[in-house]
Amino acid sequence: EVQLVESGGGLVQPGRSMKLSCAASGFTFSNYGVAWVRQAPTKGLEWVATISYDGRSIYYRDSVKGRFTISRDNAKSTLFLQMNSLRSEDTATYYCTREGTQLRGIDYWGQGVMVTVSS
Amino acid sequence: DIQMTQSPSFLSASVGDRVTINCKASQNINRYLNWYQQKLGEAPELLIYNANSLQTGTPSRFSGSGSGTDFTLTISSLQPEDVATYFCLQHNSWPRTFGAGTKLEL
Repeated sequence: EVQLVESGGGLVQPGRSMKLSCAASGFTFSNYGVAWVRQAPTKGLEWVATISYDGRSIYYRDSVKGRFTISRDNAKSTLFLQMNSLRSEDTATYYCTREGTQLRGIDYWGQGVMVTVSS
Repeated sequence: DIQMTQSPSFLSASVGDRVTINCKASQNINRYLNWYQQKLGEAPELLIYNANSLQTGTPSRFSGSGSGTDFTLTISSLQPEDVATYFCLQHNSWPRTFGAGTKLEL
């Protein structure tokens, strides 16, 4: 069974940093791209970033470029999201997701971790 | 960026009704379109990928159709457990973009 378990969320002041982690199990992590998707309270879903299976290809949405860094440790089956210079508009539940084949796109989601940016 | 226009935003229906939800892409996305179901307080779950392929475990009353720019999710006979918000996602190009969602209620 595919499992994605996020950790590292909480309350952080504007301008500060936070690092999210996602522990993956139930599949061969090093064979799949993985991504972060977020959802602001009572809002829709917003793709944040994707990293390829080998870490060589990385994509970000424009609003987080230069502030967020996605990375992975295939030996530990773990995905990360380093978030710097946080803004109130980054407040959201952050979901760790798996990218299946090219046809399947995002096929599994974690339960999410809440990040609140507020003074 | 590709804009995904999802309609309707809200839908009220009765058990047994046939329900359709639409997503329109601002440009051709071939068949790289997924549908997700998100129940209150839960993470989204994949229902349909590649526009019309059912994810394992998705009930057969769900179906997807379309290609290019126009896509439809159909529930052939609405069940109480289908109450949820439904989102479409295009994964043809970067950035990935979601529809704004359709909240389905009984």
